[in-house]
Amino acid sequence: DAKTTQPPSMDCAEGRAANLPCNHSTISGNEYVYWYRQIHSQGPQYIIHGLKNNETNEMASLIITEDRKSSTLILPHATLRDTAVYYCIVTSDDYKLSFGAGTTVTVRA
Amino acid sequence: DSGVTQTPKHLITATGQRVTLRCSPRSGDLSVYWYQQSLDQGLQFLIQYYNGEERAKGNILERFSAQQFPDLHSELNLSSLELGDSALYFCASSVDQNQPQHFGDGTRLSIL
Repeated sequence: DAKTTQPPSMDCAEGRAANLPCNHSTISGNEYVYWYRQIHSQGPQYIIHGLKNNETNEMASLIITEDRKSSTLILPHATLRDTAVYYCIVTSDDYKLSFGAGTTVTVRA
Repeated sequence: DSGVTQTPKHLITATGQRVTLRCSPRSGDLSVYWYQQSLDQGLQFLIQYYNGEERAKGNILERFSAQQFPDLHSELNLSSLELGDSALYFCASSVDQNQPQHFGDGTRLSIL
């Protein structure tokens, strides 16, 4: 599986957009980019995933660069409940998720 | 609520013992995955089943085993428990192999 690089932490103001970057320069053509988050010790929560095109759902937007070597998860209006560890994962045919250290996002009032 | 149910939520036992963790996947999901989260190792994939058959193995110890039953629920069996097995164990399920996985709330295992 391709490896991902994320900043260890970031702060965001409540009500503002949070932009979470992820580098995956060794991604191959059939590998998807997945985003999950984990709030405290709860089970990881699926957010969004994509292959080539930008994706949007009720939780977030995923912007993937044209060369697919990086992506950005956008939380449009961060709330205090969005404080969590966010994981960017690249996965392919074996479908198992390899979680790294993720980005600890703290939303401040 | 992800729809994935794990029991028990907490389990406290002693070294050398054997425990069974249970997972009921979301309705309609055929794939079940098991993960272990410990303080020093992070979230690690253990094993995957698809419609009753083992499909992938990760860093699962030989003391651990799993199975998926005809009704699609799964059990993770941990034996000869050691202090280092203390961790959160998560189950996830997905409709198919290339679909998002949805996680349960986990079982917290404490070995005394």
